[in-house]
Amino acid sequence: QTVVTQEPSFSVSPGGTVTLTCGLSSGSVSTSFSPNWYQQTPGQAPRTLIYSTNTRSSGVPDRFSGSILGNKAALTITGAQADDESDYYCVFYMGSGVWMFGGGTKLTVL
Amino acid sequence: EVQLVESGGGLVQPGGSLRLSCAASGFPFTSYWMNWVRQAPGKGLEWVANIKQDGSEKYYVDSVKGRFTISKDNAKNSLYLQMNSLKADDTAVYYCVTGSLKFWGQGTLVTVSS
Repeated sequence: QTVVTQEPSFSVSPGGTVTLTCGLSSGSVSTSFSPNWYQQTPGQAPRTLIYSTNTRSSGVPDRFSGSILGNKAALTITGAQADDESDYYCVFYMGSGVWMFGGGTKLTVL
Repeated sequence: EVQLVESGGGLVQPGGSLRLSCAASGFPFTSYWMNWVRQAPGKGLEWVANIKQDGSEKYYVDSVKGRFTISKDNAKNSLYLQMNSLKADDTAVYYCVTGSLKFWGQGTLVTVSS
């Protein structure tokens, strides 16, 4: 059973740059998996940051960017701010109608 | 503006049933696949099911196969999730989400408990 992997936690200093990754327990990620990235704060619905690998959703600052780095999908936050402290989730389209989420990364800004 | 408004959540006993609804507006509903995604308390996101534009294809996560049924009424711009034989593990906020998982509703809480 394939699993989508994310770092459980990450820390970044204010103003710094952080790259969160999303991989597969077996195999490499490509754009065909159509990776999306979400930001979620407690009690709120997920907010779509990036869809289809690298397209920013409307209203998302350009300090958020998506890419494929090596064999993983990546979300890079440049110039981290205090309100970027959230949970971040990725999702892949696995084919045959099925989507699979990663377990999420808890980002701390300090 | 895309709007997705879920309803129908609540408290139900193990083994019981519940039907969730999602009212969609602001986009051509008949042209979109639609999904349900859930999140158990304190846990991550889990894709549950989706349905093709015309309802001709439906897919489910293994843990709900045979118990949940997704459907859509294009005339009413509405998505549904019929949940039967509910278990404690089905306790979660259920989100209505557009086809590419881009637009999300605010969710409705389902609690399965005696």
